[in-house]
Amino acid sequence: KNEVEQSPQNLTAQEGEFITINCSYSVGISALHWLQQHPGGGIVSLFMLSSGKKKHGRLIATINIQEKHSSLHITASHPRDSAVYICAARNYGGSQGNLIFGKGTKLSVKP
Amino acid sequence: NAGVTQTPKFRILKIGQSMTLQCTQDMNHNYMYWYRQDPGMGLKLIYYSVGAGITDKGEVPNGYNVSRSTTEDFPLRLELAAPSQTSVYFCASILVPGRNGLFFGSGTQLSVL
Repeated sequence: KNEVEQSPQNLTAQEGEFITINCSYSVGISALHWLQQHPGGGIVSLFMLSSGKKKHGRLIATINIQEKHSSLHITASHPRDSAVYICAARNYGGSQGNLIFGKGTKLSVKP
Repeated sequence: NAGVTQTPKFRILKIGQSMTLQCTQDMNHNYMYWYRQDPGMGLKLIYYSVGAGITDKGEVPNGYNVSRSTTEDFPLRLELAAPSQTSVYFCASILVPGRNGLFFGSGTQLSVL
């Protein structure tokens, strides 16, 4: 079983829909990253959070440390949001290299 | 700032050939990483560095080598390329792990035939 699990694996939505992508982890963490991988392959960092909630534009990330769960929400989704979304957990007390990545959620937003 | 610059974008190697993937960042980040991404799998850490002159193995280091002679540069060397090294490679850097976001290079798609 992966230490970081994402759901769903694939998600198709209509433009304008509210989208939720989930990330569950089994290790103690010091931080969790949400990344976006564009269809062209490039990866950008969306959020890094260790507690609570962060918002940037139409994107909202939340984390519940007790439940070991994080969610990424997209409001008013748009076709340009189509991408793979990846969560990565920084293992608490692990080495400085220790980020555990989920396999990603492939989102397709149809016009 | 250019961020993280990674070259080449694409490369085809024959079995047994060697090559170096270049990675440079201009953000004065001490922490740098090399990952590989295989279809349907999460990113796997190959090697990382916490500063010039310091490198350490990640989860999948076999068949690779790195060096970190300067803060800016973190090249990844493939010796005796094998088909199992066909993958997409990403270089990344971060200012302070656990406090800041990661910056990624644009990736290198490598095929070993």
